[in-house]
Amino acid sequence: QVQLVQSGAEVKKPGASVKVSCKASGYTFTGYYMHWVRQAPGQGLEWMGRINPNSGGTNYAQKFQGRVTMTRDTSISTAYMELSRLRSDDTAVYYCAREGPLAVAGSFDYWGQGTLVTVSS
Amino acid sequence: AIRMTQSPSSLSASTGDRVTITCRASQGISSYLAWYQQKPGKAPKLLIYAASTLQSGVPSRFSGSGSGTDFTLTISCLQSEDFATYYCQQYYSYPPTFGQGTKLEIK
Repeated sequence: QVQLVQSGAEVKKPGASVKVSCKASGYTFTGYYMHWVRQAPGQGLEWMGRINPNSGGTNYAQKFQGRVTMTRDTSISTAYMELSRLRSDDTAVYYCAREGPLAVAGSFDYWGQGTLVTVSS
Repeated sequence: AIRMTQSPSSLSASTGDRVTITCRASQGISSYLAWYQQKPGKAPKLLIYAASTLQSGVPSRFSGSGSGTDFTLTISCLQSEDFATYYCQQYYSYPPTFGQGTKLEIK
């Protein structure tokens, strides 16, 4: 069965960077785009970007351009999202989400459990 | 970016009720719309894609309709496990965008 397992909660100081991992299992990792979506406390869902695990190609939301880097390691079926120059308003739960295949493409059919990143001095 | 607006923002209903949530896009998105359910402390769950196609394993009391700019999610007979927050998402163009959410609460 498809599973996306994310790394644990992080506490960071303003100005620092955080790197969240997402380990995939139960499917061919290189066959599906991986997206990152975040959710601030009590707020809605915000798309951050995506990576093509096969090519490594990325697309980022304009809001995060220059601060976010998405990478992958195909040998261990793991995607990464690194966010730099953290601010207090980056405090959120960060999710990885697989883009569905074929007819489902564009929507997110499997999600990780989420990683809480807290930015506080 | 395409703006997605849901209504209402919150909704109180009872078990057994039929409820409808509306999602409006700021421009036409054909049928490139998904609906998600999110429970507190959990990741969103895909319910419907392509505006009206039920994801595998989702109960048939959930249904979706619409195309262009106006969409609806209907739950025909509310069960206790359906009380959650619901989000729509467009994937017609990048960036993908979500509605602000509709919180469905027990009356």
